Order: sequence, then C-alpha cells, then structure tokens
Amino acid sequence: DAKTTQPNSMESNEEEPVHLPCNHSTISGTDYIHWYRQLPSQGPEYVIHGLTSNVNNRMASLAIAEDRKSSTLILHRATLRDAAVYYCIPASGAGSYQLTFGKGTKLSVIP
Amino acid sequence: EPEVTQTPSHQVTQMGQEVILRCVPISNHLYFYWYRQILGQKVEFLVSFYNNEISEKSEIFDDQFSVERPDGSNFTLKIRSTKLEDSAMYFCASKERGRETQYFGPGTRLLVL
Repeated sequence: DAKTTQPNSMESNEEEPVHLPCNHSTISGTDYIHWYRQLPSQGPEYVIHGLTSNVNNRMASLAIAEDRKSSTLILHRATLRDAAVYYCIPASGAGSYQLTFGKGTKLSVIP
Repeated sequence: EPEVTQTPSHQVTQMGQEVILRCVPISNHLYFYWYRQILGQKVEFLVSFYNNEISEKSEIFDDQFSVERPDGSNFTLKIRSTKLEDSAMYFCASKERGRETQYFGPGTRLLVL
C-alpha cells in the first residue's frame, strides 16, 4: 500500500475555501486517489476520487499533481457540517480492493 | 438514495459469547466488506467478500471471525468467542461491480465486558 502524509489537523472559517493536502509519493501507476471523510460518530463517507485528471463533484474538487505524488481536496465553501476527519487513500478501485485508512486530517470549521 | 444499513446499532456482550453483526448492503452491489475502528484509532480492514467467498482478509480476521451471506440481502459478521479487545465500531461497506466507490454503513458499536 502507498504511504500517505496528511496534516494532523486544519482549521477553516465557515464559508471560506479549504485546501486539504496529501502526499502519496509511492503511489502505483494504476491506483486511484480516493478521499473519504468521517463525521463524528459516523461511518466513513465517500467524497471524491480520481486517477490523473482533476475531478469535480457536488461535494468537492480534487486536484492531482502531474506526477501523481500529491493531491489536494478542495472544499469550495466550508460549512459546519464539513467538520470531519478527511482521509486520502491511494487504492486500486478495481475488484474487491481494500481501503487502508491512515490517521487523516481533522478539519475544524469555525463559525 | 440507497444506503447500507447495519443492525444492531449497539451491542453489549460478555467475553466469550458469540455475536453476529448484520448488514444490508446496497441492493445491486456485489462486493462486501467489514472494517472496524477501535475507539480513538484508525479504521482497519477486516475482510472482503465477493461471489460468495472471501476475497481478502487481514491479520485481524482470524479463526474467531467468519462472514456469511445467508440470503440475497444480508451480509453478516460472526465473532465466535468475543474478547475484550474486540470492542470497537464495526462498519460494513459495499461496492458495485465496475465502480470504484465503497459505501459504508453507520456502524455497530460492540462492547465486550
């Protein structure tokens, strides 16, 4: 499994954009970059994933470096509901692959 | 929107007792998973299941654990003889064939006394 490095914690003001970085320098060429989050006392929740190109969905955007050794999850306008632990997980995506969770980044949103 | 459900939400048991945790995956999904999270620790993979057999399992998933899909909708995790260290949140997840996203249930909090 590729090793990931994420900040332990970050803070954002409500309504402002948040950029959550992740380094995954040992990612394999076929691994997707998955982002999940875990709200307090809940199960992990899918946020977004990508392979090489930047991706957008209704929750967030994912910017992937050209060399794929890092990526950034972008929340365009943080809300109080976005306070969670965010996990960056390189993984195959194909078949019955497993997700290997690290410690993630705990995002606090200040009203 | 379809979601993974899990029952019970909480379970308290005595050490040495058997427990069965139940999950109803999303209906058209074919890949099923169990993960656990000990309080304050990382989410850990236990086992994946596809085509009525285990695809992968971690070192945690020893002989005390088993999984089953007894009918077309349920996916269960059985712990034969619980230990204190089995106390954790257990999450079920499912995935559609050909897609990359796993969808997680809300979890079962297991407390072994």
